[in-house]
Amino acid sequence: EVQLVESGGGLVQPGGSLRLSCATSGVTFSVYAMSWVRQAPGQGLEWVSTISGSGGFTYYADSVKGRFTISRDNSKNTLYLQMNSLRAEDTALYYCAKDGRAVAGFEHWGQGTLVTVSS
Amino acid sequence: DIQMTQSPSTLSASVGDRVTITCRASQSISHWLAWYQQTPGKAPKLLIYKASTLESGVPSRFSGSGSGTEFTLTISSLQPDDFATYYCQKYNNYSSLIFGGGTKVEIK
Repeated sequence: EVQLVESGGGLVQPGGSLRLSCATSGVTFSVYAMSWVRQAPGQGLEWVSTISGSGGFTYYADSVKGRFTISRDNSKNTLYLQMNSLRAEDTALYYCAKDGRAVAGFEHWGQGTLVTVSS
Repeated sequence: DIQMTQSPSTLSASVGDRVTITCRASQSISHWLAWYQQTPGKAPKLLIYKASTLESGVPSRFSGSGSGTEFTLTISSLQPDDFATYYCQKYNNYSSLIFGGGTKVEIK
């Protein structure tokens, strides 16, 4: 069974930093692209970032480009999101998501970790 | 950048109804569209990928169609578990895997 478990969320002041982790199991981690998706309270889904299976290619939404860095450690089957210069509008539930075998949608999702940016 | 627009934003329906949700892309994305279902407090669930391919384990009352810029998700006979919010997502390019704004299916 594939499992994705996010951690690292919490309360942080504007301008601060946070590092999210997504530990995976039950999957050949290095084969699949991985992504972060966030959902602000009461709002829709927003794609944040994607990283290729090897880690050699990374992609970001304009809203986080230059502030967030996605990375992965294939030896630990873990995905990361380093978030710097956080703003109030970054407050959201952050999900990690795994590419499907068809490379055409997010087949597996974690349960999310909540990030709150507030003074 | 390609934009994804869903309609309606809210839909009221009854159990047994046929329901159709539309997703439009501002430019052609061929068949690279996914549909997700999200219930309150839960992570989204992949329903359909490549516009019309049903994900394993998803009931056959769900179907998807379309290509290019216009796509539809149809639920042939709405069941109690189907009251949820549905999102489309373009999946043609990792540089922008954006979602539509969502369609909430409510009980009439």
